[in-house]
Amino acid sequence: DIQMTQSPSSLSASVGDRVTISCRASQTIGNYLNWYQQKPGKAPNLLIYAASSLQSGVTSRFSGSGSGTDFTLTISNLQPVDFASYYCQQTYSTPLTFGGGTKVEIK
Amino acid sequence: EMQLLEYGGGLVQSGGSLRLSCEASGFTFSRYAMNWVRQAPGKGLEWVSGVSVSGASTNYADSVKGRFIISRDNSKGSLFLQMTSLRGEDTAVYYCAKTRAGPTPEDAFDIWGQGTMVTVSS
Repeated sequence: DIQMTQSPSSLSASVGDRVTISCRASQTIGNYLNWYQQKPGKAPNLLIYAASSLQSGVTSRFSGSGSGTDFTLTISNLQPVDFASYYCQQTYSTPLTFGGGTKVEIK
Repeated sequence: EMQLLEYGGGLVQSGGSLRLSCEASGFTFSRYAMNWVRQAPGKGLEWVSGVSVSGASTNYADSVKGRFIISRDNSKGSLFLQMTSLRGEDTAVYYCAKTRAGPTPEDAFDIWGQGTMVTVSS
């Protein structure tokens, strides 16, 4: 199984900051990497697919990069609505696996 | 508007069974692979199972293999998860999720249901 390791597990940031979240796969997965945002009590929401493609309707403050085993989600100009948990997911092979999550909190 | 609605969750005793359903609307259900994802209280996301557009191909997480069965009825726009031999560690919110573009489950999930809670008591 492919293990997905996210870092950090949590971070504190201020409105207007630029935030980066990392995700590492235990083996190469090409660009089969997706990012989701989840707010408490709600279902996850797709932000980025195929490592760097912005999902329709998602603000361009979110961007993704990387390939192979190392990936990054960047949030530019952090806004109050962005305080949430973020998960990476590999869809290279089953079992599909998620990272452990990163909680972005207000500083 | 594309929507998914899960139902069938509830409280069940350890060793018991439960069948979850997910009804799709606003898109052509038969064109997309579907998945189940769960989230234990206070924990992260765990993929449970996926099914191809035809239903002929299914995949499972090791943690549920042999106990859960995923299926679909394209004529009714419905996805199912039959859960047997339930354990305490199966306690979670269960989400159904639509794949973004493809006929196979190995794709990003662009539409999610609101989730249904399954609680397994010992």
